Amino acid sequence: EIVLTQSPDTLSLSPGEGTTLSCRASQIVDSSYLAWYQQRPGQAPRLLINAASSRATGIPDRFSGGGSGTDFTLTISRLEPEDFAVYYCQQYGSSLPHTFGQGTKLQIK
Amino acid sequence: EVQLVQSGAEVKKPGESLKISCKGSGYSFTKYWIGWVRQMPGKGLEWLGIIYPGDSDVRYSPSFRGQVTLSADKSINTAYLQWGSLKASDTAMYYCARGGDTPLVAWSFRYWGQGTLVTVSP
Repeated sequence: EIVLTQSPDTLSLSPGEGTTLSCRASQIVDSSYLAWYQQRPGQAPRLLINAASSRATGIPDRFSGGGSGTDFTLTISRLEPEDFAVYYCQQYGSSLPHTFGQGTKLQIK
Repeated sequence: EVQLVQSGAEVKKPGESLKISCKGSGYSFTKYWIGWVRQMPGKGLEWLGIIYPGDSDVRYSPSFRGQVTLSADKSINTAYLQWGSLKASDTAMYYCARGGDTPLVAWSFRYWGQGTLVTVSP
């Protein structure tokens, strides 16, 4: 099983700031089968990025994904009030199960 | 418009059985994987398994194999998650989600249901 470790667990920032969230895998994630999701309180998760760096339809360009192998990042260039939420990475390659990271909570400072 | 509509909240007792549903619309139901994700109260996301409704190919997480059963009825565009004997530790929100359009994203979850809250209490 591939274990995904996200850092930090919690991040306190102000609107307008930028940030980079990290997701490290215990084994290589083949073909960059790595996704990022956003979950706001009381809502279902929302896909932001898949294939490591491809923004999903309708996602603002302030969100960008990068990385390969075992190290992946989600960058948010200018935080908007609605971006304060929990973010999860997920690997969905040939290695089952398709694990999620433990999540990074982005909160308003 | 792609939609996944899940069945309503359930309150059950330990030892009871349960089957919850996820009805897809707005797309060809048999051509996309549907996965199930658990979220225990105040916790993160856990992947239970995934099913391809076209041929009912199912892949389970080892942690959940034998604990739950995934199935699909393509005649009514509905996927199911069921338990034979519930435990208090099954109390959680359960989401279904649909896979993407191309091989590179087929197993990532582009569309999500609204969630079904399952509460298991004596």
